[in-house]
Amino acid sequence: AQKITQTQPGMFVQEKEAVTLDCTYDTSDQSYGLFWYKQPSSGEMIFLIYQGSYDEQNATEGRYSLNFQKARKSANLVISASQLGDSAMYFCAMREAYFKAAGNKLTFGGGTRVLVKP
Amino acid sequence: ETGVTQTPRHLVMGMTNKKSLKCEQHLGHNAMYWYKQSAKKPLELMFVYSLEERVENNSVPSRFSPECPNSSHLFLHLHTLQPEDSALYLCASSQAGVNYGYTFGSGTRLTVV
Repeated sequence: AQKITQTQPGMFVQEKEAVTLDCTYDTSDQSYGLFWYKQPSSGEMIFLIYQGSYDEQNATEGRYSLNFQKARKSANLVISASQLGDSAMYFCAMREAYFKAAGNKLTFGGGTRVLVKP
Repeated sequence: ETGVTQTPRHLVMGMTNKKSLKCEQHLGHNAMYWYKQSAKKPLELMFVYSLEERVENNSVPSRFSPECPNSSHLFLHLHTLQPEDSALYLCASSQAGVNYGYTFGSGTRLTVV
């Protein structure tokens, strides 16, 4: 069963507008972490934002915010004031409590391609 | 500079060749990972090394052979690959036991001909 689901394969957004990227997850762990990464056409994966399962407040990092709804198991990314440089693939990921003392295993969703229009 | 460097950036190899991908991290992390990213598929975890010990091998074919000589270096040795192995191979590192994700390299785009 897929653990991370991103239902939007691609979307357009007008420059300077906000965009919400959907992510739902499935886990039976009580302790887990949720991440968003950006992958430009160059290929590298750039960490954007992190939300811990016990964090009571939604995470924010500059123009990025994470709308965490634990009961619904969703962790949507909101990008405010979109810029042309935001055009990229965006991946949601979940850290499983795979190893207690060593390593972290991240499971990724299928990604959403965002294209910002001028 | 991401702190994780992968070489080469691009590689074209024949099915009978032997090549190696290299990953180096300068972040003091103690866990390193290989992921495969194929077109229209989610990232697939291939191998995990923690404290230089392999702790994960996700049913990867034996034509892929990882090596982690120390906590800063990770290799992926390739031999007798198939065209379906063409993909972007991403290396990542992290600090074990900490609630942070990975730092990724820029990847090696591999084409098997």
